[in-house]
Amino acid sequence: EPEVTQTPSHQVTQMGQEVILRCVPISNHLYFYWYRQILGQKVEFLVSFYNNEISEKSEIFDDQFSVERPDGSNFTLKIRSTKLEDSAMYFCAGGRGGTDTQYFGPGTRLTVL
Amino acid sequence: AQSVAQPEDQVNVAEGNPLTVKCTYSVSGNPYLFWYVQYPNRGLQFLLKYITGDNLVKGSYGFEAEFNKSQTSFHLKKPSALVSDSALYFCAVRDRAGNTPLVFGKGTRLSVIA
Repeated sequence: EPEVTQTPSHQVTQMGQEVILRCVPISNHLYFYWYRQILGQKVEFLVSFYNNEISEKSEIFDDQFSVERPDGSNFTLKIRSTKLEDSAMYFCAGGRGGTDTQYFGPGTRLTVL
Repeated sequence: AQSVAQPEDQVNVAEGNPLTVKCTYSVSGNPYLFWYVQYPNRGLQFLLKYITGDNLVKGSYGFEAEFNKSQTSFHLKKPSALVSDSALYFCAVRDRAGNTPLVFGKGTRLSVIA
C-alpha cells in the first residue's frame, strides 16, 4: 500500500538558518498539506496546496514559510530563518479532495537550537 | 469556525474491557469527522471517518465510532481493548468537502493495562 514519505526524520538546526523539509505524497493525490505539532500540543494546520498554488494558509504560515512542488512528486516546506518556536514535528499530508481521507506522513522532527 | 474538544487528556482501561475516547465538535455546516491514532515517534494513522449515512462507523483494528448529531459527538469505541491499543488518539473535523484542512482536538492518551 502506498505511503506518504518524509525526509529527514529529524533535523537539527541553528536559529536563523534555513531548512527545507521534504515530502513525497501518494501519487494519485491532488491536495497537499503541511501541519505541525509542537511537543505536547495538538496538530495545527499550516498550509494547503492544490494545482501548484497555495489554496489556504493559517496565521502560523507567515512570510518565513514557503511551499513548492518543484518536480511533480516532491512537496517541500521551507522555513527561511528558523526561530526557537519553530521546533516541532512537521507532518505532510495528502488526499484526493472531496470526502477523501487525508493521509499523513511519519513526520520530520525539527529542533532549532 | 470549526473546533474539536477531547475532554480527557488520559484514559486508562484494563485489557479486555471496552474503551471509549470522547470527542465533541462544532462546525457551521455538515461535519466530516475523523479519528487518527499516533504511536510513539510515528505519524498519524487514519482509523475511521464519518461523512454521511449510518451513524455507526467501523474502522481499522476493531475500532468504531458513533456520530450523534444532537449531541455533536463522535466518540471512539472498541468492545475489548488490547495493550497494543495504547497510543495517542486525535479526533478531527472539517465542515465541507474539497481542499479544506482538518481541525484537530488536543488528543487523548489511551493506556491499556494488562
